[in-house]
Amino acid sequence: KAGVTQTPRYLIKTRGQQVTLSCSPISGHRSVSWYQQTPGQGLQFLFEYFSETQRNKGNFPGRFSGRQFSNSRSEMNVSTLELGDSALYLCASNSLKAGGHSYNEQFFGPGTRLTVL
Amino acid sequence: DQQVKQNSPSLSVQEGRISILNCDYTNSMFDYFLWYKKYPAEGPTFLISISSIKDKNEDGRFTVFLNKSAKHLSLHIVPSQPGDSAVYFCAAGMQGAQKLVFGQGTRLTINP
Repeated sequence: KAGVTQTPRYLIKTRGQQVTLSCSPISGHRSVSWYQQTPGQGLQFLFEYFSETQRNKGNFPGRFSGRQFSNSRSEMNVSTLELGDSALYLCASNSLKAGGHSYNEQFFGPGTRLTVL
Repeated sequence: DQQVKQNSPSLSVQEGRISILNCDYTNSMFDYFLWYKKYPAEGPTFLISISSIKDKNEDGRFTVFLNKSAKHLSLHIVPSQPGDSAVYFCAAGMQGAQKLVFGQGTRLTINP
């Protein structure tokens, strides 16, 4: 099975711009989560989607949003970029089924390195 | 509020010896725990997990121990190999929520 893929791998933007990152989960996985990794804050949960619905959300401002499509692919959008948004954005998928328990491990993609100038 | 803490930012171990990575948590609602390994420019790779109903889980060279009363878990790697050099993250979660809370990571270096 192909792993989780994320595009683009690297991105440079300037303050005030907006950006869209894409994630394709492992085939058959319906749950997709997004995390932000920075040197100061570590890995922090952004949100999780399952069957096109956002089920969990972390403590990030409304500038961070996401969506999931019917094929389980997901996008996250950051509007009005700030310097502090520079980070590695990681997407993870798992095979959690509706009504199933959540002990399945999450499989991570390689991440998108976003630099805001 | 750091709910999951890895107090050692780095650890250096000689090849062939045991590596012990530690993790503490504060939220008693966490009911499963995972360890991930991360190389630069790659996403974290799942290593091993443990449910709160167990106190030990073993997979080859990797063993995770959970002490619920102390809210502490540890990852033992025996024997340590050069390829184990990476950053290790401990993570915790709650049933019904796909949100994982990660520690800050410990950089493990295995010296030949």
